[in-house]
Amino acid sequence: EIVLTQSPATLSLSPGERATLSCRASQSVSSHLAWYQQKPGQAPRLLIYDASNRATGISARFSGSGSGTDFALTISSLEPEDSAVYYCQQRSNWPSITFGQGTRLEIK
Amino acid sequence: EVQLVESGGGLVQPGGSLRLSCAASGFTFSNYDMHWVRQATGKGLEWVSAIGTAGDTYYPGSVRGRFTISRENAKNSLYLQMNSLRAGDTAVYYCARSMTGRAFDIWGQGTMVTVSS
Repeated sequence: EIVLTQSPATLSLSPGERATLSCRASQSVSSHLAWYQQKPGQAPRLLIYDASNRATGISARFSGSGSGTDFALTISSLEPEDSAVYYCQQRSNWPSITFGQGTRLEIK
Repeated sequence: EVQLVESGGGLVQPGGSLRLSCAASGFTFSNYDMHWVRQATGKGLEWVSAIGTAGDTYYPGSVRGRFTISRENAKNSLYLQMNSLRAGDTAVYYCARSMTGRAFDIWGQGTMVTVSS
């Protein structure tokens, strides 16, 4: 099973700052990595697929990068509504799908 | 509007069974792989099962042999039959869709399953 490790566990930043969230895979997942945002009491929402492609309707403030084992989700110019937990997910060794443990982003 | 709506959650005793349903609307259901993902309270996401457009099914080791995913394209519906339930299966269960090999682009709102005596 491919293990995804996200860091940091919690990130606390101010509005207008830039956030960089990391996801590291235990073995190469090529570019088969997605990022999701989950707010309290809500279902996850797809932000980024195939490592760097924004999903439909997602703000250009969200960008993804990386390939192989190291990936990043960057949120430029943070807004209060970006407060959420962010998960990475791999589908490289289908049919096994795994998620990272999540990064909680707090906007001060 | 593209939508997934889960139902069927509730309280069940350890060792019991439960069947979850997911009603799809606003898209051609038969063209998509479908998945169940669960989330225990305060915890992360865990993929539980998948069914392809051809009816092929997949499970992680934690539920294989206990859970069965199925679909009924004529009714735009997805199901999860859960048997031999354990306390560790307590979670919100989400259904989600994906194109084959792609990310989960639409999720339902979830249905809560509690396994307790």
